[in-house]
Amino acid sequence: AQTVTQSQPEMSVQEAETVTLSCTYDTSESNYYLFWYKQPPSRQMILVIRQEAYKQQNATENRFSVNFQKAAKSFSLKISDSQLGDTAMYFCAFTLIQGAQKLVFGQGTRLTINP
Amino acid sequence: KAGVTQTPRYLIKTRGQQVTLSCSPISGHRSVSWYQQTPGQGLQFLFEYFSETQRNKGNFPGRFSGRQFSNSRSEMNVSTLELGDSALYLCASTAVSTDTQYFGPGTRLTVL
Repeated sequence: AQTVTQSQPEMSVQEAETVTLSCTYDTSESNYYLFWYKQPPSRQMILVIRQEAYKQQNATENRFSVNFQKAAKSFSLKISDSQLGDTAMYFCAFTLIQGAQKLVFGQGTRLTINP
Repeated sequence: KAGVTQTPRYLIKTRGQQVTLSCSPISGHRSVSWYQQTPGQGLQFLFEYFSETQRNKGNFPGRFSGRQFSNSRSEMNVSTLELGDSALYLCASTAVSTDTQYFGPGTRLTVL
């Protein structure tokens, strides 16, 4: 069974700073996807970034980038130039490729951006 | 394209009642997954439907059931509600080409 662990329950940074959220996972499979989702106070789950395990290049989406270390089973999210609107719960998630669509989520990290 | 829609957005029920939640996926998406989110257990997978067939089911009692229609819309049903069923129920549809799930706004169920 796959598991996802986020070891930082809460983080807080000042606006415009850079912040890194940690995620580790455990699987015996070699082909999978990893995701970061954010859930603001509205509770809408929003996709932030996606990484394919068979790609060595780290995914980036504007101010968001990941550091994917497959051997270490680590998948951290870096937010550059943080903005007040980045305040949210952030969830790391895992799914196998081409299987039944079942996401396994971490416990989440509550990120607060302070003005 | 319109996003994933869920109805109703809020529900209040009493113990022992049953409830049906609805989810309409993004146009063209044929897979719909359901999740339960609670403060104590976090986000847990309920089940997934693809082309009207349940492909995977999470570790929930048989009181939780679902179905999918030919237009890919999905419903989940919870019978004999318990206080512990109070949660945010999230539905997601999948872009098969990218195995990426997109979520609806959720249905907040409160059981009194």
